[in-house]
Formats: sequence, structure tokens, C-alpha cells
Amino acid sequence: GAVVSQHPSWVICKSGTSVKIECRSLDFQATTMFWYRQFPKQSLMLMATSNEGSKATYEQGVEKDKFLINHASLTLSTLTVTSAHPEDSSFYICSARAASSSSYNEQFFGPGTRLTVL
Amino acid sequence: QKEVEQNSGPLSVPEGAIASLNCTYSDRGSQSFFWYRQYSGKSPELIMFIYSNGDKEDGRFTAQLNKASQYVSLLIRDSQPSDSATYLCAGRGSSGNTGKLIFGQGTTLQVKP
Repeated sequence: GAVVSQHPSWVICKSGTSVKIECRSLDFQATTMFWYRQFPKQSLMLMATSNEGSKATYEQGVEKDKFLINHASLTLSTLTVTSAHPEDSSFYICSARAASSSSYNEQFFGPGTRLTVL
Repeated sequence: QKEVEQNSGPLSVPEGAIASLNCTYSDRGSQSFFWYRQYSGKSPELIMFIYSNGDKEDGRFTAQLNKASQYVSLLIRDSQPSDSATYLCAGRGSSGNTGKLIFGQGTTLQVKP
């Protein structure tokens, strides 16, 4: 149980294009999903918290107009990197917290999406 | 000061030894703590979580929490080469109930055959 998928697993795009990454909870409903970014040899950096049916909450320094997040259902959240540039190249990872999660707030991570912007 | 701190390592131990990974946190209101393992190029996978002072054991892994000292540790007994990975410590923030986790920078563990 508690499986989270991401699609695509990797993507290469040209500078200036937009890229959409999907995050799905496959066997549970996720009221909250989190989007992280990880640069090589660094830890996970939380970008935003996404709650189903409401606007995402972005961390300080993360441009909400550049990283569009939509959490339209209890099993799907999407991250769109708009007008991507080479500095956006990173490993993007989502995680999901189950609707019936205990107060310990376990998060289950997706496999990640490797974005390379040329 | 970072909210969750770990020594980046690498920590090198011989196969079969006990690996001890440490983490300190600054938010006294943090309620629960998580240890994740991350292999290179992969996403983190949950090893275990702890919320009460003391020890919690799961197989070869033991998590220890000392809230007075704001200290969390993970012991790996009988370390195997397959345990070589980066171990991330995370604490659940005390503000609100967003479930947001604060991650440390991770400790790289190398288990040598």
C-alpha cells in the first residue's frame, strides 16, 4: 500500500518551454501533497504544499507563477514548470499524505522526475 | 542555524558493524521525527518514525529520541553494503498542522565489505 507514482520519470526540454509533472497516489486518497526539489548532493527542499481543492502554499523564495501547482483531486497533483531555464534542471519529487493519516504525518514519496533543461 | 542538522559524512563502517547516524533539531515543538533512506538518483524511502522519548526498534534499525537534548539518532546493526546510501532525518514542524517535514542535509553512509 501507500504507492505514489510520478510521470514522467525524466524529461529533457528546451529553454523557454513548459513542463508538466504528475503525481498520483495509487492506492490511497491524499488530502495533501508536497513538492520538493533536490539539486545534486543536496537535501530535499520543499517548494510547496498542495491541498486538494485549494491553492498551494509556496515556501519562501519559490515563484508561484513559475511553478504552477494544481491539486484537482484526492489522487492527483500536478506541477508545471513554466518557461523552464537551465537553472531549473533538478530532481523533482512529490510526496503524499494520506487522508486518514495518523498524527505522525507519514509522507510517501514518489520516484521523482529528473528535469533537464537545455 | 538550520532547523534540522546532520553531519554530511561520509560515515564509513565495515560490514557487520553498527552504524550510528545522528541528528539534532532546533524546534522544541517538533512532535515526530522520520528517518528516510535515499539511494543515489532515487527518491527517499521511509525507514521508520519516532515520536516518544526512548528507543524504537524495527529489525536491524533502532531510532532513538531525546527531546530534552533535541537529539534523534538511527542505529543500524549488522550493517550491509546494501545499506550504503544517504540517510535523511526529518522533523515535523510544530506550527500548524500542515504536516510539513523539515529535512536535514543527510548523512552519507558507506558500508565496506
